Amino acid sequence: AQSVAQPEDQVKVAEGNPLTVKCTYSVSGNPYLFWYVQYPNRGLQFLLKYITGDNLVKGSYGFEAEFNKSQTSFHLKKPSALVSDSALYFCAVRAYRDDKIIFGKGTRLHILP
Amino acid sequence: DVKVTQSSRYLVKRTGEKVFLECVQDMDHENMFWYRQDPGLGLRLIYFSYDVKMKEKGDIPEGYSVSREKKERFSLILESASTNQTSMYLCASSGIVTGINQPQHFGDGTRLSIL
Repeated sequence: AQSVAQPEDQVKVAEGNPLTVKCTYSVSGNPYLFWYVQYPNRGLQFLLKYITGDNLVKGSYGFEAEFNKSQTSFHLKKPSALVSDSALYFCAVRAYRDDKIIFGKGTRLHILP
Repeated sequence: DVKVTQSSRYLVKRTGEKVFLECVQDMDHENMFWYRQDPGLGLRLIYFSYDVKMKEKGDIPEGYSVSREKKERFSLILESASTNQTSMYLCASSGIVTGINQPQHFGDGTRLSIL
């Protein structure tokens, strides 16, 4: 069965510092991996995806994610955090050609001025 | 740009009422989804549809039904609302390109309160 784990409920980072939001997954076969962001009272916005190819994926707003097959991880990163990055972040996984996506429980990111 | 529109941002209903949540997408997407979002539980899939008049149960379908009479519209129905259905409801859609399902696009959600 597919599953996604986001081990941290909250992450706090000072503005200007690099940030990492962790995600590990379990899926049969090749995974499709996604990161979404949710701002208050809004739906989820797509940030980036990994399907195949380079292990480092670049997405919106300066975010990137690194796919590590041996560690079954897909951590979200940004070199220099902004206060406006404060939001709820969801990792998600889908098995190849499957219709359903499984979401993690979310990590709340706080960027401190 | 893809737009997924949910008919209400906030809704208050009473226990036992039949409640309709509407969702419309403007990108001719094949797939549409209904989730509920609760603190600490993340997103849980209620129902999804991969074509008109087709529906599949998600992880928590009990107490809900859906309708997809047109490709662009996907309705979630609470047959007899109960207080434990108070939640944020999110609709999403996704297309298919070269046989591969694309990322889902979400509406802004409906915050439903059942009194």
